[in-house]
Order: sequence, then C-alpha cells, then structure tokens
Amino acid sequence: EAEVAQSPRYKITEKSQAVAFWCDPISGHATLYWYRQILGQGPELLVQFQDESVVDDSQLPKDRFSAERLKGVDSTLKIQPAELGDSAMYLCASNPTGTGEGAFFGQGTRLTVV
Amino acid sequence: GENVEQHPSTLSVQEGDSAVIKCTYSDSASNYFPWYKQELGKRPQLIIDIRSNVGEKKDQRIAVTLNKTAKHFSLHITETQPEDSAVYFCAASRAGQGNLIFGKGTKLSVKP
Repeated sequence: EAEVAQSPRYKITEKSQAVAFWCDPISGHATLYWYRQILGQGPELLVQFQDESVVDDSQLPKDRFSAERLKGVDSTLKIQPAELGDSAMYLCASNPTGTGEGAFFGQGTRLTVV
Repeated sequence: GENVEQHPSTLSVQEGDSAVIKCTYSDSASNYFPWYKQELGKRPQLIIDIRSNVGEKKDQRIAVTLNKTAKHFSLHITETQPEDSAVYFCAASRAGQGNLIFGKGTKLSVKP
C-alpha cells in the first residue's frame, strides 16, 4: 500500500535553532498539505501545495516558517528560529484531487523544542 | 471561515455497546465530511467519509449520518471492540478548496 513518507520521526531542538522536515507524498498525488497537530487537538493546516505552487499559506507563520515543493513532488517545511510553542506533531498529507477528499497522512514528525 | 465543533471530547463504552460522536459545522458551503481514526503515536487514518448529496453511509460496523439543514454529522460505531479505542476526528471541507477543517477530537475508550 502506498504511503506518505516523512522524516525524521522525532526531532528535539533547542529554541532559536533551525529545523527542517521532509515529506514525500504518494506517487501521482498533486496536492500536498502540511498540518500541525498540538497535543490533544485536531490537525491545523499550515500550507497547501498544488504541484509546485502554494494554494493556501494563510495560517503559516511566515516570519519563521517556510515551505517549498520545488519540483512538485517532495516537500520541505522549515522553522527558523524554533520557539518553545512550536513543539507539536507536524503531519504531511497528500491527495490526488486537491479537494481534500481522501487525504492520506504520513506518520508525522514529533518536534520538541527545549 | 469554517468552524467544526466535536462532542464529546471523551467517550467510554463497554465492549459490544454502540458509540456516537457528533460534529457541527458553520459553513453551509462545506460539502465533504470525513472521519479519521488516530491511534496513539500513529497517523490519522480515514475510516469513512460522506458528501453533502448523501444523508447516510455505512461500512460494516461504522456509519455516518449528515443533516445539512442543521449542519451536523455524526459517526456511529456499533458492536464496539477494544481495538476501536483511539482518538476520532471529524473534518469538513468546502467545495473547490482542499483544506480540511478538523474538530478537536474524541478519545474513545472501549472497555473489555
């Protein structure tokens, strides 16, 4: 079964440091999402890509977060500098249609900022 | 923007009983409503979804109902089993947009 791949699974970083997460969506899925899930809450969208273009980044804290999907396949989410409040699970998801229907999630990256 | 409320936040049932989780949404233009199951430390997995042109959908022990007029939808799990224990999230998506708006989740515990 095809899966969304994410790495690393766990990351501990000191505040003010830079951190990056990687996602490889299911082959052929044009739409890729980055979600942040704080413990005990539902996922919240950070950024949505359609191929290599950003469709929605209205909730992305652009002063410290950046995301790219240069070739329209895999994607990187970066935080610089990391803050204590960034500790969360960062989930990547993809789907073929761009409508949100049938979105498949990766295992996520658990970030702890100390 | 869309807002999804989910209740209850925790639910404990005996094995074999039914469980019902309810969600309401605010955007009448939303037309896609999935439910995800997330076990501890694992990814959210889509278990069932419904579109606004359908009032009910079933898949074995799981069913989802949608009331567009009242803007609420519910997940029903019958004959619950211990392996159903997990956090369940409802979500809503608007036509033409890919962003899923999630509820805060319901932690379901099924006691053997």
